[in-house]
Amino acid sequence: QSALTQPASVSGSPGQSITISCTGSSSDVGGYNYVSWYQQHPGKAPKLMIYDVSNRPSGVSNRFSGSKSGNTASLTISGLQAEDDGDYYCTSKTSSASYVFGTGTKVTVL
Amino acid sequence: QVQLVQSGTEVKKPGASVKVSCKASGYTFTDYNIHWVRQAPGQGLEWMGWISPNSGATNYAQKSQGWVTMTRDTSISTVYMEVNSLNSDDTAVYYCARGVSSGYPDWGQGTLVTVSS
Repeated sequence: QSALTQPASVSGSPGQSITISCTGSSSDVGGYNYVSWYQQHPGKAPKLMIYDVSNRPSGVSNRFSGSKSGNTASLTISGLQAEDDGDYYCTSKTSSASYVFGTGTKVTVL
Repeated sequence: QVQLVQSGTEVKKPGASVKVSCKASGYTFTDYNIHWVRQAPGQGLEWMGWISPNSGATNYAQKSQGWVTMTRDTSISTVYMEVNSLNSDDTAVYYCARGVSSGYPDWGQGTLVTVSS
């Protein structure tokens, strides 16, 4: 199972909106509404930001939103803040009931 | 509150095996699968597999099959992951995480496994 494809880096100024894409295939992203997104800061465990494509866990800012179209899922961060700086990963369930992570995206707040 | 507490740092020689534990508390242990994820230094996240604490059923990533074994002990709410035939590429932080629907809302603190001669 190949990793899902994410852009290596995305940047934006405070207050702006950015979108991170996560591209897979019909065997993973396109076949299931089981995409989740994680934020990771250096030396820390990942933090769940979005699950089941577009659901936000309790306590996660509503500035984070998720969507999916075909084989590509997206995470949008609106009103970018300095604390949003970090690495972001998507993951999807696959046809073999396994999971696969994305390649990861480094978000830089300028 | 939900807690996943992992065993401590390990240093192993090439060819050896390592067994990492993950003790769960704060929820009904048998209600949620536990997933294992690893992260090599400076690299991304890699899904390794999951285990059902209820039935003991497992699902391994293709890369993990025949090389990784996940088990559980329901009497102490603990899951284990054993990795065999270690080499330097297996140097990584290994995380356990509780699976809820498609997400992992709770993670262990991570266990650093270093493989070095």
